[in-house]
Amino acid sequence: GAVVSQHPSWVICKSGTSVKIECRSLDFQATTMFWYRQFPKQSLMLMATSNEGSKATYEQGVEKDKFLINHASLTLSTLTVTSAHPEDSSFYICSARDGTGPYQPQHFGDGTRLSIL
Amino acid sequence: KNQVEQSPQSLIILEGKNCTLQCNYTVSPFSNLRWYKQDTGRGPVSLTIMTFSENTKSNGRYTATLDADTKQSSLHITASQLSDSASYICVVSARSGNTPLVFGKGTRLSVIA
Repeated sequence: GAVVSQHPSWVICKSGTSVKIECRSLDFQATTMFWYRQFPKQSLMLMATSNEGSKATYEQGVEKDKFLINHASLTLSTLTVTSAHPEDSSFYICSARDGTGPYQPQHFGDGTRLSIL
Repeated sequence: KNQVEQSPQSLIILEGKNCTLQCNYTVSPFSNLRWYKQDTGRGPVSLTIMTFSENTKSNGRYTATLDADTKQSSLHITASQLSDSASYICVVSARSGNTPLVFGKGTRLSVIA
């Protein structure tokens, strides 16, 4: 079945560091990818929607200069957390839509646990 | 406002028992409803997806129901196993282009021996 690979799965770094997270669709092309953030015992919160070849659409309250998204190909999207601080520590999950339209399956990566010291 | 409410928030059951999780939504216009299983520290994995015209869908020991009139769904787990311990998330999609999915907060299920 469709697989979304997310890398790295776990990052620990110092405050002020920039961290890049990769999201790849392994056996399908994903025109649209999504980036979510999840705090402990909370549901997934959409951060941004990324369309291949165009600028990402950010949800209200998400700083686009803080969370840089690049979707350069149909199988790869990246999220860069710039100058990360302890409050950015969270579980980041990407997902990729297999096809177009609201009925198409949306497959999730296994997430990246980001810990900023 | 599009919302998805799940109950109970958490549930503990004995291995081998059945359980039912509930989901109410106000998303409109409705397109489809999905149930996901999320193990701790992992991404969500799809269990079922149902459109407006579907009342029930099964995936092994998981059976989802949908009542589009009352805007309610349930996920029934039969003969629970320890590996069923996870968060179960109800997700609703609106029938309009790239409208984001609306996530419930999930039900945390713990199956104990």
